[in-house]
Amino acid sequence: DAGVTQSPTHLIKTRGQQVTLRCSPKSGHDTVSWYQQALGQGPQFIFQYYEEEERQRGNFPDRFSGHQFPNYSSELNVNALLLGDSALYLCASSLDLSHEQYFGPGTRLTVT
Amino acid sequence: SQQGEEDPQALSIQEGENATMNCSYKTSINNLQWYRQNSGRGLVHLILIRSNEREKHSGRLRVTLDTSKKSSSLLITASRAADTASYFCATDADDYKLSFGAGTTVTVRA
Repeated sequence: DAGVTQSPTHLIKTRGQQVTLRCSPKSGHDTVSWYQQALGQGPQFIFQYYEEEERQRGNFPDRFSGHQFPNYSSELNVNALLLGDSALYLCASSLDLSHEQYFGPGTRLTVT
Repeated sequence: SQQGEEDPQALSIQEGENATMNCSYKTSINNLQWYRQNSGRGLVHLILIRSNEREKHSGRLRVTLDTSKKSSSLLITASRAADTASYFCATDADDYKLSFGAGTTVTVRA
């Protein structure tokens, strides 16, 4: 049974560019959440998708957007990248109404 | 902003010793969860304690929750080198999004 997978593992982008990160949830899970973890900090909630709709959103600008597909996989898009967007981006999946989230290995984004 | 705050920020212990870390939070919660993270990779779920529970055990882990003080503790008994990691508490205010603290870095010396 595959756990949560994310791609790519590492990514280097230039300021002003756009990036798309991908996540496949654990088998049987229908809810995907995205978190940003800056170096030395705890993860910060970005948003959550359920039934292809954004259900919850944290305190992140509109440059951060996402999508969930019918197979429950998800994408995180960040436009107009800033140096401060450099972080580990974590995807977590869960079964709706379950409070336990399973995290993927993350995508390390470096913005230069 | 982060809801939970772990204490201490860093902890260094000898193999075989116990490690205790604490978490304080600000608002009412449905549950509190502890996660482990190795070398800046993905988080591993350790234990979930609900707001109506006071103590929970899982293997060498013991978690307590005091909702009147808005605090929790994680105890790792008989530590091993493999326990070297960062540990995070995360609160769930029944809205299915987790609010994490900044974590406690634990180093277990052989």
